[in-house]
Amino acid sequence: KAGVTQTPRYLIKTRGQQVTLSCSPISGHRSVSWYQQTPGQGLQFLFEYFSETQRNKGNFPGRFSGRQFSNSRSEMNVSTLELGDSALYLCASSSRGVADTQYFGPGTRLTVL
Amino acid sequence: DQQVKQNSPSLSVQEGRISILNCDYTNSMFDYFLWYKKYPAEGPTFLISISSIKDKNEDGRFTVFLNKSAKHLSLHIVPSQPGDSAVYFCAAWYTGTASKLTFGTGTRLQVTL
Repeated sequence: KAGVTQTPRYLIKTRGQQVTLSCSPISGHRSVSWYQQTPGQGLQFLFEYFSETQRNKGNFPGRFSGRQFSNSRSEMNVSTLELGDSALYLCASSSRGVADTQYFGPGTRLTVL
Repeated sequence: DQQVKQNSPSLSVQEGRISILNCDYTNSMFDYFLWYKKYPAEGPTFLISISSIKDKNEDGRFTVFLNKSAKHLSLHIVPSQPGDSAVYFCAAWYTGTASKLTFGTGTRLQVTL
């Protein structure tokens, strides 16, 4: 079974731009969660999508949004990028949700200049 | 407000000895706890979880203990192996309409020969 894949792996943007990250879950998994990892804050939960619906949301501003497609692939969008958005963005998939065993992708390293 | 805390940023243990990683939480609503391991340049890997109705869960060399009255959980690795060297995150979850997975900031474990 193929694992969780994320594209692109690395991204460099400038302040004010927007970015879209993509995540393909493990086949058959309907839940996709997104996380932000920074050295100071550790891992923080962004949101979870299940069957194309946002089911849970963390404490992030509205600049962070996402969606899930009918094939369970998910995208995360960050608009009006700020320097503090530089981080490793991870997505994870599972069968039932965030309290289930989650399988993480390798992450997308976003650098905002 | 850091609801899940890992107060030791790093830990060094000799091969073959016990590694004990600690995690404290403040939100008494948490009812499910998970531990993840993360190697550099990879996404986190699920290790072991425990429900709040239990006080211990064991899986091979990994055992998680939960002390609800102290709002404390710990991960024991016995015996520690060099391949266990990684960053360990604890995470907590509670069911509810606004629920989300909350992570600690991580503890870097170094298992020395």
